[in-house]
Order: sequence, then C-alpha cells, then structure tokens
Amino acid sequence: EVQLLESGGGLVQPGGSLRLSCEASGFTFSNYPMSWVRQAPGKGLEWVSTLSGTSALIFYADSVKGRFTISRDNSKNTLYVQMNSLRAEDTAVYYCARRTYSGNDWGAFDLWGQGTMVTVSS
Amino acid sequence: ELVLTQSPATLSLSPGERATLSCRASQSVRIYLAWYQQKPGQAPRLLIYDASNRATGVPARFSGSGSGTDFTLAISSLEPEDSAVYYCQQRTSWPLTFGGGTKVEIK
Repeated sequence: EVQLLESGGGLVQPGGSLRLSCEASGFTFSNYPMSWVRQAPGKGLEWVSTLSGTSALIFYADSVKGRFTISRDNSKNTLYVQMNSLRAEDTAVYYCARRTYSGNDWGAFDLWGQGTMVTVSS
Repeated sequence: ELVLTQSPATLSLSPGERATLSCRASQSVRIYLAWYQQKPGQAPRLLIYDASNRATGVPARFSGSGSGTDFTLAISSLEPEDSAVYYCQQRTSWPLTFGGGTKVEIK
C-alpha cells in the first residue's frame, strides 16, 4: 500500500527541539521530492519545507528558516525534519507530503500522511 | 510572497446543488494551481492539479478551471460527503502558498 506515516510529535517547551520522521512505503521514495506542511489548530495549511529526491535542492518557508532542517534517508525510505528553537506559533499538526514530478517539474502534493501533532508550551 | 485569496469563506448549499469556489492569485500562477479537500480530522486530499486535471479517483462532479490569476473549483451536484474545507495552492514560485480555504456545508 502506498502510504506515509509520520511520528515524533509531542509536547515541547519553548526553545526546545524535536525531530519528526515520516516513513514511506509502496513507492520508490528516492524518486520523489518530499515536503512538510503544517496546520495550526483551527487554521489553514502552511507549507514548511521541501527537498528533492537526492537532497540537492532544499527550500524553506521564512517562518522556519534557520530553525528547521529537512533531510531524508533514502535507504530507510524516511523523511525527517529537525525542529530547533521552537516557538508557541510552531504548534500545529505536521504532515509529510509527496510531490509529483516529471523530470525537473515538481507538481502538486498527491500523497499525504495522517499528520503528527506538535505542541509548544510551557 | 504570492497570496491566494479564496471566496466565499463559507458556502452552505443543499444536496444536488452546484457549488462554485473561487481562488484569486496576487500575480499570475499560469496554470500551476491545485485544489485539495480536507475533512475534519483528516489529511488533505488532492482533487485537481494544474488548474483542470482531476487526480486519480476523484469523482467527475469535481472540475477545475482558470488560468493566470482567477481559478474556479466547481462541484456539479453536491453529495453529503462533499462537506469539507477546500484549499487552493500554487506551485509557481517559492514559497509555496495555500489559500485560506472555503468551507462547504451541506444543508
């Protein structure tokens, strides 16, 4: 079955760190650009970060640049995000999402995980 | 940053009626706009990509149109299971951005 499964969410104090993981199955993970998208409670969707299949290209939202680091281990079919210096406004459900691709053209998010909740609070 | 503005914020219609959702971009996104459906407690689901292409398994009652700055998602005949929030998203420029969403309520 084609799926993404996130883990690693939880409660963390402001200024703390957390690493989220997203395990992929059912498709050739290394071929696909992968992303993190988050959703604060009761709010809309916010793109966080994307990296290419080879990790050569990485993009971040300004809101997380310098604090979050996206990475992947294609041998483990797993996407990560290391989140440091966490703030209350980082509280959200974090989804990993696969982007379609055709050569160098990256498309829409066609596959999503179920999400993992991150709460930043003292 | 490219801003996507969705309207209306909420749409309340009866089963069988036609729903028309709008997404307006602050600058041209050519055809590179997608639509997602999100039901409570669930992850988003891709409905339409590149303005007018239905994703795999999406019912034919969903259709997308538009180019440049003005886009529409239409649901031709609402079903009870179409109750959800719908988001548009552009992939023309970084950062990728989403619209604020339109909530579709079924009376």
